[in-house]
Amino acid sequence: DTGVSQDPRHKITKRGQNVTFRCDPISEHNRLYWYRQTLGQGPEFLTYFQNEAQLEKSRLLSDRFSAERPKGSFSTLEIQRTEQGDSAMYLCASSPSAIGAPGPQHFGDGTRLSIL
Amino acid sequence: AQSVTQLDSQVPVFEEAPVELRCNYSSSVSVYLFWYVQYPNQGLQLLLKYLSGSTLVKGINGFEAEFNKSQTSFHLRKPSVHISDTAEYFCAVSEASSASKIIFGSGTRLSIRP
Repeated sequence: DTGVSQDPRHKITKRGQNVTFRCDPISEHNRLYWYRQTLGQGPEFLTYFQNEAQLEKSRLLSDRFSAERPKGSFSTLEIQRTEQGDSAMYLCASSPSAIGAPGPQHFGDGTRLSIL
Repeated sequence: AQSVTQLDSQVPVFEEAPVELRCNYSSSVSVYLFWYVQYPNQGLQLLLKYLSGSTLVKGINGFEAEFNKSQTSFHLRKPSVHISDTAEYFCAVSEASSASKIIFGSGTRLSIRP
């Protein structure tokens, strides 16, 4: 169990640029989640995948945001035309499929995005 | 829809003293309840979870929580804290039927004084 891996750990970019983050879940986990955490707040749900299927998207996920998990393994989260308000920690989590009681979500260390 | 309220944004405690971090939730359906801990510049680590059964749940690092359905509470306790417990603690809820997204509270910062 190597844990959930996120890359990069930090990203600084100018307003208006596009950014892409990567998440590698625990290998046997088929559920993958994205959350956003702003300073002083708890994480907010963005979206989640069961294998390659994106099953739910939050209203927080505007048209500028897109997430993919093409082969049911790693996932990418892209933000186009970044804005100041996008500055946050982006957290990825994974869990086994929930049949009966759910497996716990294991979180990565996050990608901190700073918009200049 | 579910929501979580953590009643204290900060809790200062002396080392070796007991601590209770309060959490109330709101939901019209059955839920699962969690406590996560976050150390600086790190992701979240699961402390404990309540799915069903015994209302007293024991977790890692000596923490425990009690599920109280009538009061819709899930308070976290530790009988004696250590400097290393300094961190942000998040109470969270997930809808039992789908067990998908987790709704987090705004967090309680636990600071331990020597």
